[in-house]
Amino acid sequence: KNQVEQSPQSLIILEGKNCTLQCNYTVSPFSNLRWYKQDTGRGPVSLTIMTFSENTKSNGRYTATLDADTKQSSLHITASQLSDSASYICVVSVRGSQGNLIFGKGTKLSVKP
Amino acid sequence: DAMVIQNPRYQVTQFGKPVTLSCSQTLNHNVMYWYQQKSSQAPKLLFHYYDKDFNNEADTPDNFQSRRPNTSFCFLDIRSPGLGDAAMYLCATSRSRDSSYEQYFGPGTRLTVT
Repeated sequence: KNQVEQSPQSLIILEGKNCTLQCNYTVSPFSNLRWYKQDTGRGPVSLTIMTFSENTKSNGRYTATLDADTKQSSLHITASQLSDSASYICVVSVRGSQGNLIFGKGTKLSVKP
Repeated sequence: DAMVIQNPRYQVTQFGKPVTLSCSQTLNHNVMYWYQQKSSQAPKLLFHYYDKDFNNEADTPDNFQSRRPNTSFCFLDIRSPGLGDAAMYLCATSRSRDSSYEQYFGPGTRLTVT
């Protein structure tokens, strides 16, 4: 069964600190992995998208890694800001699936001053 | 700016009273998706349009219908909302159904059923 699992479920950090969010997936055949940021009451916004051959991709203070062998991904946030408070959703796309996305349940990040 | 727009942002309806949610896009994308997202859960795909071709997910209740009168607009109709239909409804668009293409989400409509 295609699944995406994220950890931790929630995380509280102090402003300025770094953090790493984890994503494990069992999706086949794999097409790509995306990280989305979803602010409360808003739609998801794409942060990164990585294909099978990409190990790392950065978007400002966000750096995503992908290990296709172990089927793991991480999202590292550097020098966190209050505006980083949101849910971060890992999404894996199934190849040839007419756009079918497998969503994780997300990690809810709270950045405190 | 090219974008995905959803109206209204917040909708309150009564139990059993039909309601329509609206999505429009200026991206000229071929594919439009509707997702349902309940609190603290992952978005769940209800259906999608590829141009005028409607594709329903197997477990989408018959209570949910959709219309796409043209490329830019797509509507979600809930014929008889129940309390369990209270959720955030997300519209997304994509240039193609190919899984390598990005999906762009709108801000969502929060539906409350009283």
